[in-house]
Order: sequence, then C-alpha cells, then structure tokens
Amino acid sequence: AQTVTQSQPEMSVQEAETVTLSCTYDTSESDYYLFWYKQPPSRQMILVIRQEAYKQQNATENRFSVNFQKAAKSFSLKISDSQLGDAAMYFCAYRIISGTYKYIFGTGTRLKVLA
Amino acid sequence: NAGVMQNPRHLVRRRGQEARLRCSPMKGHSHVYWYRQLPEEGLKFMVYLQKENIIDESGMPKERFSAEFPKEGPSILRIQQVVRGDSAAYFCASSPRRTSTDTQYFGPGTRLTVL
Repeated sequence: AQTVTQSQPEMSVQEAETVTLSCTYDTSESDYYLFWYKQPPSRQMILVIRQEAYKQQNATENRFSVNFQKAAKSFSLKISDSQLGDAAMYFCAYRIISGTYKYIFGTGTRLKVLA
Repeated sequence: NAGVMQNPRHLVRRRGQEARLRCSPMKGHSHVYWYRQLPEEGLKFMVYLQKENIIDESGMPKERFSAEFPKEGPSILRIQQVVRGDSAAYFCASSPRRTSTDTQYFGPGTRLTVL
C-alpha cells in the first residue's frame, strides 16, 4: 500500500528567508504524480506544485520548487523569500497513475512565518 | 469560471440526525472525489463517483455513509444517524476525466460538527 510521510509537524521561517518541507513516500509503482497543497486557515486546498515521476527535472512555480529524489522516494518543497501569506498547513500528496487516481495525503506540516 | 462549490460550508447536527453535504463540480467535470479530514490530520479518500456511478468506495465506512452523483444536480454525501466521531471537514474534488494527467480541484469543504 502507498503511504506518504511528513515528519515535520511544524516549521518556522523568518520572513524573506528560505524553508524546506520534507516528504517521503512509499510505493511499488514506477509512474505516479506528487503534489504539494497549501491549506490556509480558510481550509481551502490550494495546489502549490505538481511533479510527474517520469520527469527528472524538478518542478518550479515562482518561489516554490521541489527536490524530487525518485530513488530515495523523497519529495521536498522549498519556499524561497518566504512571505507572511505563506503561513498555512502544507500537505504532500501522492496519486497513483492507474485505477481511480485517488490522492493519498500526508499528515501535514504547519508552517509559521515570523515577521 | 466557477470552481468547485460545496454547501453548506458549516453544518451542525445533533447525534442521531442526518447530514447531507452537497458538491457541485467545476463546469465540464464529470468525476467527483470525496475526502474527509479529521482534526489535525490529512485528508483521507472516501469515495470516487462518475455521473450515476460509484467507481471506488473503498474509503467509505460500511454503515451510515452513502454517496451519489446523479445525472442532473450535485453530488451528495449522506451521513445517517451521525455520531460525534463524524465531526470533520469533508472535501469534494473534481476532475474533467478519468485520466492520469488530470489534477483534482478541491472545493472549500464542509465542516460538520456533531453535538
């Protein structure tokens, strides 16, 4: 069975600094997708970034980038130039590439941004 | 282009009552997923539906929970005889097709409180 692990329940970062959130997963599949979602206090799930497992190049979206290590089954999120609006829960998610495509989520990391 | 709509946003029920949660997918989307988020946890898959069909209900509790997605109208998640342990945020996500490349788009969630 696939699992997603986020070992950091909470992280803090100073405004304008860089922070990295960790995520590891376990799967026997070779093709899959990985996602980072942001959940602010409003509880809306907002897609931050997505990575296809068959792509070796790490995905980047403005200040957000990932470090995808397929052999190590690691998928960390780096947030550069942190802003107060980045404060939220961040969830790592895995989606199988066959079957019903349901997401499997980690337990989340709460990010605090200090002014 | 409206996103995924869920209503109500907040629902309060007493133990033993029924809860009905509605989800209107994005325009053009015919696939709906329901997830549950217990306090301080990640989202857990419940059920995947296409119009008039349940495709995967492996995450649904065996009793009291049911879901439908009729040909016309929103998808409904129904919880009968609610108990305190049903208190959670329930999220709906939609996608246009059942393919591996489609991202799921989440609604704002319904927070159910059982007194």
